[in-house]
Amino acid sequence: DTGVSQNPRHKITKRGQNVTFRCDPISEHNRLYWYRQTLGQGPEFLTYFQNEAQLEKSRLLSDRFSAERPKGSFSTLEIQRTEQGDSAMYLCASSSQGQAFSDTQYFGPGTRLTVL
Amino acid sequence: QKEVEQNSGPLSVPEGAIASLNCTYSDRVSQSFFWYRQYSGKSPELIMSIYSNGDKEDGRFTAQLNKASQYVSLLIRDSQPSDSATYLCAVNSAGGSYIPTFGRGTSLIVHP
Repeated sequence: DTGVSQNPRHKITKRGQNVTFRCDPISEHNRLYWYRQTLGQGPEFLTYFQNEAQLEKSRLLSDRFSAERPKGSFSTLEIQRTEQGDSAMYLCASSSQGQAFSDTQYFGPGTRLTVL
Repeated sequence: QKEVEQNSGPLSVPEGAIASLNCTYSDRVSQSFFWYRQYSGKSPELIMSIYSNGDKEDGRFTAQLNKASQYVSLLIRDSQPSDSATYLCAVNSAGGSYIPTFGRGTSLIVHP
């Protein structure tokens, strides 16, 4: 399977614990995105990497969230001191550098986080 | 604040009918438009992209773009029960940002 992969697929944690998710993009894609999606809503942008550089970060993202993409390959998203409001599907998407404005993103299967 | 509006539905159509899904956007300089299908509990799957005014057809799907009126639509011909899903509209604006704004999606139900 050469698509975007995410691990774990499901994570249940207790409030206050730290969690880390991993995303492996499509191999030739240099752009990687993290989104959060809650029931009945569209994906909400969290952060974006081009190669290893984190170029944009949503103002909605608290300092409990951090993301990395060492060496411009896989990426990790860490949430510290989880809260019940963090419960959501965390989606990763990747794209390749093409024509301006025509960036097509391909999504991974997502990691569903439940904070008890 | 860039906004993408979709009727949340559900839109219910009989099998074999044409389903019409609509999306409006607020940013006049938007350049790229995408339709994703999302089954319950799954991640979004790209159906179509469109960049120029007019129609773009791909199998049973047709995307229609009208930049002057700031709307984009998706038509699904010969709707099948397997088309039952939430359809997300996503819009990229000009200016170098590759971050699309997503609508909340329209739920489509195709009943036999």
